[in-house]
Amino acid sequence: DTEVTQTPKHLVMGMTNKKSLKCEQHMGHRAMYWYKQKAKKPPELMFVYSYEKLSINESVPSRFSPECPNSSLLNLHLHALQPEDSALYLCASSHDRVPTSYEQYFGPGTRLTVT
Amino acid sequence: GQSLEQPSEVTAVEGAIVQINCTYQTSGFYGLSWYQQHDGGAPTFLSYNALDGLEETGRFSSFLSRSDSYGYLLLQELQMKDSASYFCAVRVSFQKLVFGTGTRLLVSP
Repeated sequence: DTEVTQTPKHLVMGMTNKKSLKCEQHMGHRAMYWYKQKAKKPPELMFVYSYEKLSINESVPSRFSPECPNSSLLNLHLHALQPEDSALYLCASSHDRVPTSYEQYFGPGTRLTVT
Repeated sequence: GQSLEQPSEVTAVEGAIVQINCTYQTSGFYGLSWYQQHDGGAPTFLSYNALDGLEETGRFSSFLSRSDSYGYLLLQELQMKDSASYFCAVRVSFQKLVFGTGTRLLVSP
């Protein structure tokens, strides 16, 4: 199984809503990532978890709150978002050891629209 | 800061060969990756170069010159299904990838 799954596929939320994005992988990867991708732009790293601990936070606003309940699951909790947060949110995973840690496996993403 | 530049768009015909260039200026360098992304799809890993030289994987080859801060992806025997966006990405630390600006490849019959 080389698949990363993400739910939901699409999400529309108001600026006062609270919602969560979910990501799951069963490849035994111990590194998991959240990226944000705007239309016609490259993915931008938001957070990295390594062995269920947050290892990188790219100065992301606190209205985005990541959580890694176990080695297979990654959540992104959303609260009080702004319209400019509308984007495709991609989850990825990888091994956390050489030599195979360079390849990241991406999920299909959640397309988020903030109204 | 980090800067990875790619041509915005490349067009080619089926069966042709195309090269997508990537020049980078980054604060760290562990290696250069290439990812393919179809419209509405997930980025998919294509190749990785940690050392100078050419890596070949089927119809795709990737080249790296660390002294020139330059790499390229070579796609041979182009097929319609190769129409997609291609991103170079520098591994600037063990866990952090920085993606290039992206190149949209359009393959015509």
